[in-house]
Amino acid sequence: KNEVEQSPQNLTAQEGEFITINCSYSVGISALHWLQQHPGGGIVSLFMLSSGKKKHGRLIATINIQEKHSSLHITASHPRDSAVYICAAAKTSYDKVIFGPGTSLSVIP
Amino acid sequence: DAGVIQSPRHEVTEMGQEVTLRCKPISGHNSLFWYRQTMMRGLELLIYFNNNVPIDDSGMPEDRFSAKMPNASFSTLKIQPSEPRDSAVYFCASRGQGAGNTIYFGEGSWLTVV
Repeated sequence: KNEVEQSPQNLTAQEGEFITINCSYSVGISALHWLQQHPGGGIVSLFMLSSGKKKHGRLIATINIQEKHSSLHITASHPRDSAVYICAAAKTSYDKVIFGPGTSLSVIP
Repeated sequence: DAGVIQSPRHEVTEMGQEVTLRCKPISGHNSLFWYRQTMMRGLELLIYFNNNVPIDDSGMPEDRFSAKMPNASFSTLKIQPSEPRDSAVYFCASRGQGAGNTIYFGEGSWLTVV
């Protein structure tokens, strides 16, 4: 069993739909990252969470430390949101960042 | 700030040749990470440095891989000798002090070993 899991693996949505990507982890963490990788390959950090909820534009990330679960939500999805979304767990300041397998999102006009 | 800078962006080399990938982290960041991404294995952490010191290199696949960070503004990842299975995208990333900071990725070095 992977230490960081994501669901769904692949997701196709119509433009405008509300999207949720889930991440669960089995290790104790001090921070959880959501990353976005576009088809060109570049990786951008979207959020870093240690508790609660963060919002940036149409993106919202939440984390429940007790349940070891995080979600990334996209409101009013747009084709430019099409990318791979990766959840990554950081255990401590000096420990490994463990990556989830990624969720490939395709938003259709 | 220019962000994390990697070079080369693309490299094609013959099996057996030495490959050196370079990374300049964001100024002031004291953690530096090298990752490899392949279709089969996704993103894998190879090694990370804190204050120029290698903290965990357990992700380095084998002795053909080595990484150095001679100062706070420069790191190299070397593969010698290279093999076709090393073909991947290699990302460098940096972060400020502590796990509670955002990790910033470079644009990656696309390596093809033929």
